[in-house]
Amino acid sequence: GAVVSQHPSRVICKSGTSVKIECRSLDFQATTMFWYRQFPKKSLMLMATSNEGSKATYEQGVEKDKFLINHASLTLSTLTVTSAHPEDSSFYICSATGGNSYNEQFFGPGTRLTVL
Amino acid sequence: TQLLEQSPQFLSIQEGENLTVYCNSSSVFSSLQWYRQEPGEGPVLLVTVVTGGEVKKLKRLTFQFGDARKDSSLHITAAQPGDTGLYLCAGEINDYKLSFGAGTTVTVRA
Repeated sequence: GAVVSQHPSRVICKSGTSVKIECRSLDFQATTMFWYRQFPKKSLMLMATSNEGSKATYEQGVEKDKFLINHASLTLSTLTVTSAHPEDSSFYICSATGGNSYNEQFFGPGTRLTVL
Repeated sequence: TQLLEQSPQFLSIQEGENLTVYCNSSSVFSSLQWYRQEPGEGPVLLVTVVTGGEVKKLKRLTFQFGDARKDSSLHITAAQPGDTGLYLCAGEINDYKLSFGAGTTVTVRA
């Protein structure tokens, strides 16, 4: 149980284009989903917290208009990197919590974004 | 600013040796989680500790939560090459949010 998928796993795009990443909880309803960014050999940096049907809460320093988050249902959240630039290249990981007793977060496999 | 100080940052040992990773903070956490991450993949939850002084064992891995719920350790006995990876501790702060340590890269040489 507690499986989270992400799609795509890898994406290469040209500078200026927008990229959408999907995060799905496959066998549970996710009350909250989180989006992280990770640089090579570094820890996870929380970008935003997303609750179904409401606006995402962004961490300080994260541009809302740059990283659009939509949480359309209890099993799906999407992150759209708008007008991507090479500095947006990174490993993006989502996680989901189903509000179980310990509020454990279960992570997706990540999406490697490369902007040329 | 990271709430959790994780050490050491890198650890390289021979197969069969033991290792310990530490996670320390001045903050109290309602729960603390340990994850293991391999390159190009998402973190995989190993354990959640919630009670001060709690000790949990997962085969050769032993996790301890400090009495004051501010620190934790992960001990691996007789490490194997399959234990190689990035180990991350994460404390629950509020609203289900986690604060991650910087991570410990563990390399077990055959």
